Amino acid sequence: GQSLEQPSEVTAVEGAIVQINCTYQTSGFYGLSWYQQHDGGAPTFLSYNALDGLEETGRFSSFLSRSDSYGYLLLQELQMKDSASYFCAVRGSGGYNKLIFGAGTRLAVHP
Amino acid sequence: DGGITQSPKYLFRKEGQNVTLSCEQNLNHDAMYWYRQDPGQGLRLIYYSQIVNDFQKGDIAEGYSVSREKKESFPLTVTSAQKNPTAFYLCASTIGDRKRNEQFFGPGTRLTVL
Repeated sequence: GQSLEQPSEVTAVEGAIVQINCTYQTSGFYGLSWYQQHDGGAPTFLSYNALDGLEETGRFSSFLSRSDSYGYLLLQELQMKDSASYFCAVRGSGGYNKLIFGAGTRLAVHP
Repeated sequence: DGGITQSPKYLFRKEGQNVTLSCEQNLNHDAMYWYRQDPGQGLRLIYYSQIVNDFQKGDIAEGYSVSREKKESFPLTVTSAQKNPTAFYLCASTIGDRKRNEQFFGPGTRLTVL
């Protein structure tokens, strides 16, 4: 089967750096994605890693280690608007771009 | 503007009723998906469709049905056989770029069973 584990909650202060970890178990690996979801809203795509290493997009970076079945999302210069839930996801086996999502990490940013 | 629309935003259903949730996209995407999200939980896949007139069951398809008669539309019916339908329902689509895994989501429909 396929499963992903990530912490349920993370708390940080404005301006700080926070790392959200994700470990996964898959029968075949096709890449790790990250999505952001504000309360009551729709998930939005943040990043995608298919190969080992760091991908940077502005204040957000995502890292992947395929040998460790592990990745993380790094958020820098935290802002209040970054308070949201963050989901890691892997492509499911079989179906066309089918995603399996983790349970999500709720990030609370405080002043 | 291109995007995905879902309607209604809020839906109330009496027990024993079937209800249909609408999902429309004008992104010219081939694949479409339905997810269910329960409070504090991740997204679970209900059904997905790669092309018109074809769809597959996801992880929690029991009590749900779909159709894909047009590329732009992928409605979801929550039947009376779904015993616990109260949840947030999200529709998504993708162009199928295997390099990015990027899915685009609609604003969601919050279904409550009275």
